Amino acid sequence: EPEVTQTPSHQVTQMGQEVILRCVPISNHLYFYWYRQILGQKVEFLVSFYNNEISEKSEIFDDQFSVERPDGSNFTLKIRSTKLEDSAMYFCASSEEGPGGNTIYFGEGSWLTVV
Amino acid sequence: AQSVAQPEDQVNVAEGNPLTVKCTYSVSGNPYLFWYVQYPNRGLQFLLKYITGDNLVKGSYGFEAEFNKSQTSFHLKKPSALVSDSALYFCAVRARGYQKVTFGTGTKLQVIP
Repeated sequence: EPEVTQTPSHQVTQMGQEVILRCVPISNHLYFYWYRQILGQKVEFLVSFYNNEISEKSEIFDDQFSVERPDGSNFTLKIRSTKLEDSAMYFCASSEEGPGGNTIYFGEGSWLTVV
Repeated sequence: AQSVAQPEDQVNVAEGNPLTVKCTYSVSGNPYLFWYVQYPNRGLQFLLKYITGDNLVKGSYGFEAEFNKSQTSFHLKKPSALVSDSALYFCAVRARGYQKVTFGTGTKLQVIP
């Protein structure tokens, strides 16, 4: 069964450093997302991406964050100048379509620890 | 704005007994509703969804959920719990015309042998 893959599975970074989290969405999917989960708690929407541009974003997704689809398969989340409170599990997800009842499929997550 | 409430942080049930995990939602218009399960240190795994039509939705691993529009609820159920069902369960909602899916805070299900 096709799946969303994420790398790295775990990254430790110093506060103030830049981090790039990578994802390969399911191949025929058109919409891509980043969510985060702090310490096994609530899953929070960060951003959705379609047709090479951001289609929706939350208030969490400020200028510190950016997303990119650098080629035909990868989808990345960049966090500039990381802060302690950025420590979380970051999930990449994708869906065939966007608005509607389309199922969002999640990757296994990238655990980011900022020290 | 859309929101989801999962009133129980944890639900304990004996193996073989029926289980219910509660979820209520708030959204403008008719909702799309989802249930996901998360095992320790794993991603979110899709269980089932409600789009339209029959209020009783069947999903993976014997789970089902009942959509109740008047009570704005979408409770997850299973007739006979297994120890392997022990995990964190998330209810989620999406408003029509939007891409963002909003998750509840999660309910930890503990099935006791």
